[in-house]
Amino acid sequence: DIVMTQSPDSLAVSLGERATINCRSSQSVLYSSNNKNYLAWYQQKPGQPPKLLIYWASTRESGVPDRFSGSGSGTDFTLTISSLQAEDVAVYFCQQYYSTMYTFGQGTKLEIK
Amino acid sequence: QVQLQESGPGLVKPSETLSLTCTVSGGSISNYYWSWIRQPAGKGLEWIGHVYTSGGTNYNPSLKSRVTMSIDTSKNQFSLNLSSVTAADTAVYYCARFYGAMTTYFDLWGRGTLVTVSP
Repeated sequence: DIVMTQSPDSLAVSLGERATINCRSSQSVLYSSNNKNYLAWYQQKPGQPPKLLIYWASTRESGVPDRFSGSGSGTDFTLTISSLQAEDVAVYFCQQYYSTMYTFGQGTKLEIK
Repeated sequence: QVQLQESGPGLVKPSETLSLTCTVSGGSISNYYWSWIRQPAGKGLEWIGHVYTSGGTNYNPSLKSRVTMSIDTSKNQFSLNLSSVTAADTAVYYCARFYGAMTTYFDLWGRGTLVTVSP
């Protein structure tokens, strides 16, 4: 299995400041034939299902605010929220789909400082 | 727009079979891969498996011996059976759709249903 490890486990950021969440895979999720990273990011608010934010490591899902961005390649990835808003308080998960044994990171809880 | 709704018993006894159904409304179930994912309280997400509209399946190896998934395109529903449950199977169970006709990321999720395994 590809193990996904996120850091930190929790994060407190002031409103309007930048939030950065990291995700590392135990093996590369970059598919060489199409040069795509098989990685997605989700946001989960309390009592709600996860919501897709980013796919192919850096493509924003339709309707997702542009303060959310994804970067990275191979085994190391980052989700950045450029200017934290109150509604961004949530748990964030990364997911790899390089392997057909689909796995998620353990989650990063984002709070307001 | 397309919506997913899980249904089934919220309480299952140990050693029995957990059975859930996901109903797809507002769109067709055809030509997509449909998954079940679970989340124990306060924990992360675990992919259980998926079923295609043809009936083909792929299961998480750690659960494969206990999982059966099926699909009924006439009812726009797909189902999960998990046998020989224990307290460790207590979780919120989500049904979800893989984007497009590929098994990649999940673009649509149900609201989830809590299943508790208890005598």
